Amino acid sequence: EDQVTQSPEALRLQEGESSSLNCSYTVSGLRGLFWYRQDPGKGPEFLFTLYSAGEEKEKERLKATLTKKESFLHITAPKPEDSATYLCAVQGNFGNEKLTFGTGTRLTIIP
Amino acid sequence: NAGVMQNPRHLVRRRGQEARLRCSPMKGHSHVYWYRQLPEEGLKFMVYLQKENIIDESGMPKERFSAEFPKEGPSILRIQQVVRGDSAAYFCASSLRGPGNTIYFGEGSWLTVV
Repeated sequence: EDQVTQSPEALRLQEGESSSLNCSYTVSGLRGLFWYRQDPGKGPEFLFTLYSAGEEKEKERLKATLTKKESFLHITAPKPEDSATYLCAVQGNFGNEKLTFGTGTRLTIIP
Repeated sequence: NAGVMQNPRHLVRRRGQEARLRCSPMKGHSHVYWYRQLPEEGLKFMVYLQKENIIDESGMPKERFSAEFPKEGPSILRIQQVVRGDSAAYFCASSLRGPGNTIYFGEGSWLTVV
């Protein structure tokens, strides 16, 4: 069974203080690893898909990286508007279309 | 989240009533997924559908829950004889070509059972 563990559960940073969120996973053949952002009362907003170890993707202050066992979401010089819950999910390779989600990291950026 | 439309956004039902949640996928998308998010829990897969076909319903409770995606019209998630434990946010998502492709989520339907 696919599993995703995200850490930390919650993170409070000062504005401009860079940090990283971790997503550890086990999956029977990785088809894709997905990062989403979710604001309270909203649906998950797509950020990145990573397909193979060594792959990196960037968007504004966010950078996602992937190894064979984990993914990191690096946040550089965050702003208060980056406050949200960040979700990681994996999709396996063997006829299994579902995304398995972690419980997320709740990020708060303090002005 | 632009494009995946869910309604109603909020729904209140008394125990024993039926809840019907509707989802229109993004334009051109023929793959639809339903997920449930319970308070303080992660998103859990329920069902994966293509037009007129249920592909994977391994996450769907065996009783009271059903889903469809007809040739014409939105996908429907139906919950019969709702109980308090069904109170949750139900998210629909869609993708263009299925597994491995980007999956986009709607804003969710919040069901409260009183």
